[in-house]
Amino acid sequence: GAVVSQHPSWVICKSGTSVKIECRSLDFQATTMFWYRQFPKQSLMLMATSNEGSKATYEQGVEKDKFLINHASLTLSTLTVTSAHPEDSSFYICSALGLAGNYEQYFGPGTRLTVT
Amino acid sequence: SQQGEEDPQALSIQEGENATMNCSYKTSINNLQWYRQNSGRGLVHLILIRSNEREKHSGRLRVTLDTSKKSSSLLITASRAADTASYFCATVLGSRLTFGEGTQLTVNP
Repeated sequence: GAVVSQHPSWVICKSGTSVKIECRSLDFQATTMFWYRQFPKQSLMLMATSNEGSKATYEQGVEKDKFLINHASLTLSTLTVTSAHPEDSSFYICSALGLAGNYEQYFGPGTRLTVT
Repeated sequence: SQQGEEDPQALSIQEGENATMNCSYKTSINNLQWYRQNSGRGLVHLILIRSNEREKHSGRLRVTLDTSKKSSSLLITASRAADTASYFCATVLGSRLTFGEGTQLTVNP
């Protein structure tokens, strides 16, 4: 149980285009999902917290107009990178908060974004 | 911002040896977790230790937590080449996870 998927697993796009990444909790409902970004050989940095039915909470320094987050259902959150630039190339990982009350987050496999 | 600091940043050992990684943090926590990440892949949850626990075991893994020193250690015994990966500690406060900088472990066959 507690499986989280991400789609796509990797994507290459041209500078200036937008890319949407999906995060799904497959066998449980998640009112809260998180989006992280990881640059090569670095740790995961929390970008935003996504709550079902409400606006996402962004971390300091993360542009909310550039990284659009939509959490329209209890099993799906999407991250759209708008007007992507090469510096947005990174590994994007989502996680979903379990409902068991132990605050355990279940991580997706990540999406490798390359902007050319 | 990252509050966890891990040392060493990189560790290279021979198969069969033990590997110890340390993590320090700065704020209060509910629990602390350790994750493994193979190159270019997602995270694998290894073990969770609660703030009122001092030591926990899971297979070849042993985790300690010293809340007075705000530090934790992960010991992998009898390492295998397949243990080669990056290891991250993550402190948990409420629903928020904050990751350390990670330790790159290389186990040479």
